[in-house]
Parts: sequence; structure tokens; C-alpha cells
Amino acid sequence: IVLTQSPEFQSVTPKEKVTITCRASQSIGNALQWYQQKPGQSPKLLIKYAFQSMSGVPSRFTGSRSGTDFTLTISGLEPEDAALYYCHQTAYLPWTFGQGTKVEIK
Amino acid sequence: EVYLMESGGGLIQAGGSLRLSCATSGFGSSNNHFSWVRQAPGKGLEWVAIDYDDGNRFYADSVKGRFTVSRDNSKNTLFVQMNNLRADDTAVYYCVTAGGQYAFDIWGQGTMVTVSS
Repeated sequence: IVLTQSPEFQSVTPKEKVTITCRASQSIGNALQWYQQKPGQSPKLLIKYAFQSMSGVPSRFTGSRSGTDFTLTISGLEPEDAALYYCHQTAYLPWTFGQGTKVEIK
Repeated sequence: EVYLMESGGGLIQAGGSLRLSCATSGFGSSNNHFSWVRQAPGKGLEWVAIDYDDGNRFYADSVKGRFTVSRDNSKNTLFVQMNNLRADDTAVYYCVTAGGQYAFDIWGQGTMVTVSS
């Protein structure tokens, strides 16, 4: 399963809304996760099963799905949200990741 | 406290072998699924292998036949034996728990493997 993220890079002003899309090459149900990786750190799970936010993740991070298109939305970007974001499918082996989206603060 | 801690990385010549370890703490290794994920310098994440709690194991095509995952439940430690290493195996290797929906919910800090050609 190929996951194609868009855009690959986004430069955003604080408090703006950010939308990152992940398109799967075939149906994967809801078996899609989103991770955040800050420089020099391990990735952190934000959302699992397309919609379920992890405990402790700010409510401005939400996940949605339309068919094979998945979206991570950051409603009101904060400076600490500057990071790389990856989608990841666990519907079928081999599990795969999207290529990543870099979010930069303007 | 729940954590994973990898060790065993280093510099190795192409064709050589290396064994990475991942110490688990705060939860029993016997009834969890664990996976290995790697990240080449400046690149994205790549899934490497899954070690299910029932003993089934699966590998990415890029490492199949060269990498073997295992665990020692008595020591709460996971391993990945990496043989016939190649330059494109150079990466930070993370061990992770594959929790609900196999989401990677806990990550180690990673250990760097550099394969020189």
C-alpha cells in the first residue's frame, strides 16, 4: 500500500489552520495513524484508527477520512507544532508510511 | 514508568553483522506486539519488522532473509539480528510497541547504525 502525503512542505502563520492529506493506493478502512516528529526526537503517535486522538494530544489535532483520503487537521497552529508529520497504515503488511510533511512556522 | 531503550548500534563494515537490543520496562514483553522502524539520515520512516505476541514475525522486503527479530521474555528484551549489512541499512533504528490497531504508541529513543562501504 502506497501512502501519498500532500503537501510535502507547508509554511504557516501561528493560529492558522493546517490540513495535511494522506491518500492510500487502495482501501485500508480506518487503519491509519498520524505521527509527529520534532527534530532530534522520536516520533509521537497523535491519532490512531483515523480518528482516535491519543491521550494528552491537544484537541486542535483531529483526524478524518473520506474513502481512501485521510486528513490531519491542526486547528490553530501553535509554534510548538513545527515538526514533520507522517501517516502510517496497518491494514496490510508490509506496513507503510507516507513520505512526510514538514510544517514550518512563518 | 513505561519505556523502551535500544542499544547496540554503531559503525560496521558492509557485509558485517550487528545485533540490536531493546529493553522494555513498565509492561511485560510477552503479551505485546513489537515492531522495528528505521529512519535513514534526513529521510522518512520505514517499517522493518513485526514480532507478534504469538510468535509470528514478518519483515519488510528490504530486510527479509537478512534480519531476524526475537525476544527474551524473561529479560523483557527484544532483539534484531542484522546480517549481511549494506550501506542502505544505515539509519536510526527504533523499537516500538504495536498497540491497539497496531498503532505505534510507544517509541524508544533509537540507536544509530552506520554501515560503511
